[in-house]
Amino acid sequence: DAGVIQSPRHEVTEMGQEVTLRCKPISGHNSLFWYRQTMMRGLELLIYFNNNVPIDDSGMPEDRFSAKMPNASFSTLKIQPSEPRDSAVYFCASINQGTQYFGPGTRLLVL
Amino acid sequence: GIQVEQSPPDLILQEGANSTLRCNFSDSVNNLQWFHQNPWGQLINLFYIPSGTKQNGRLSATTVATERYSLLYISSSQTTDSGVYFCAVISGTYKYIFGTGTRLKVLA
Repeated sequence: DAGVIQSPRHEVTEMGQEVTLRCKPISGHNSLFWYRQTMMRGLELLIYFNNNVPIDDSGMPEDRFSAKMPNASFSTLKIQPSEPRDSAVYFCASINQGTQYFGPGTRLLVL
Repeated sequence: GIQVEQSPPDLILQEGANSTLRCNFSDSVNNLQWFHQNPWGQLINLFYIPSGTKQNGRLSATTVATERYSLLYISSSQTTDSGVYFCAVISGTYKYIFGTGTRLKVLA
């Protein structure tokens, strides 16, 4: 099993640009989370999907952030337009029987 | 909401030493996990342990749910154990609440 896959691993962009982060959960896991990690705020839950349906998006900072899960094997997190304060590491995690498995993360830098 | 506190916040060990990391939580929980975030940022699942004791090599964990704490034991520490150790709990159905972590540095 390849584990949770995220791409890109690193992204550098300029303020105002659109950023799309991608995640492939572990096959058979029916729940998926997007997190953001910064030094100041630690790990923050952004959105939770169960069976491809968004259940809780209360952690999404603002309307500039959106997430989709069109099928069980793929999810995207989009930021449009991006701002320097969005710079962080974004993690995707999938769950099986209560155990979370994290992807390697995408390190985003918005200049 | 539930509060998760970890101690100590920072720990420096000489290689070969043993250590105990603690996670206290303010309410009853359904699930608890321990993670290791290595210096490259990868979050690695160590234990899923809502109650009881588990062991995996040099690591073991114990959760006493009735007293609202969990302990992570590291024996014969190695430099590769360096990083940040997080505990995360669920109180409810799905939302994990993470502690602020224990930053461990193991010196050669």
